[in-house]
Amino acid sequence: KQEVTQIPAALSVPEGENLVLNCSFTDSAIYNLQWFRQDPGKGLTSLLLIQSSQREQTSGRLNASLDKSSGRSTLYIAASQPGDSATYLCALRGGSSNTGKLIFGQGTTLQVKP
Amino acid sequence: DAGVTQSPTHLIKTRGQQVTLRCSPKSGHDTVSWYQQALGQGPQFIFQYYEEEERQRGNFPDRFSGHQFPNYSSELNVNALLLGDSALYLCASSLVLPLVDTQYFGPGTRLTVL
Repeated sequence: KQEVTQIPAALSVPEGENLVLNCSFTDSAIYNLQWFRQDPGKGLTSLLLIQSSQREQTSGRLNASLDKSSGRSTLYIAASQPGDSATYLCALRGGSSNTGKLIFGQGTTLQVKP
Repeated sequence: DAGVTQSPTHLIKTRGQQVTLRCSPKSGHDTVSWYQQALGQGPQFIFQYYEEEERQRGNFPDRFSGHQFPNYSSELNVNALLLGDSALYLCASSLVLPLVDTQYFGPGTRLTVL
């Protein structure tokens, strides 16, 4: 059974710091892995999608990497800003499922202090 | 182009009642998935609908049922509400193929059971 874990559960950093969020999974047979942002009480906004055959994706100050062999993904945020404060969720689409079900981690809540 | 929409935004019910939540997918999408997100947790997959049929179901009791209409919109019904059903209910839409495509989430419906 696929399990997704995100560590740490919460993180507080000063503005301008570079930071890394971690996501680990137990089964390397995946179609893709997606990072989402969620503001309090709101829906999910997709940040980056990495296909199974890719190693990383970049969008602006965000860079996501995928290492299937070790069952790990990281989300790197450069020069953090207070507006980056939110919960970040990773989710993967399992390779054994053809229906697109996403399996989520519990999220990392990030606070960037001015 | 309207994204995924959900109604209502908030809902308060009492134990034992029944509730219906609604979702309209992003234009052009044919598949709708429903997720339950308890406070402080990652979303949990409830089920997915395609061509008006339930394609896959997560680990949720039969009290949770759904429907998809010919215009691809969907409903989530929960009977005999329990306090533990209090959560944010998220709808996501996508294309059934390709599996490498991303899923788009709506803003969610906050259900409170008293």
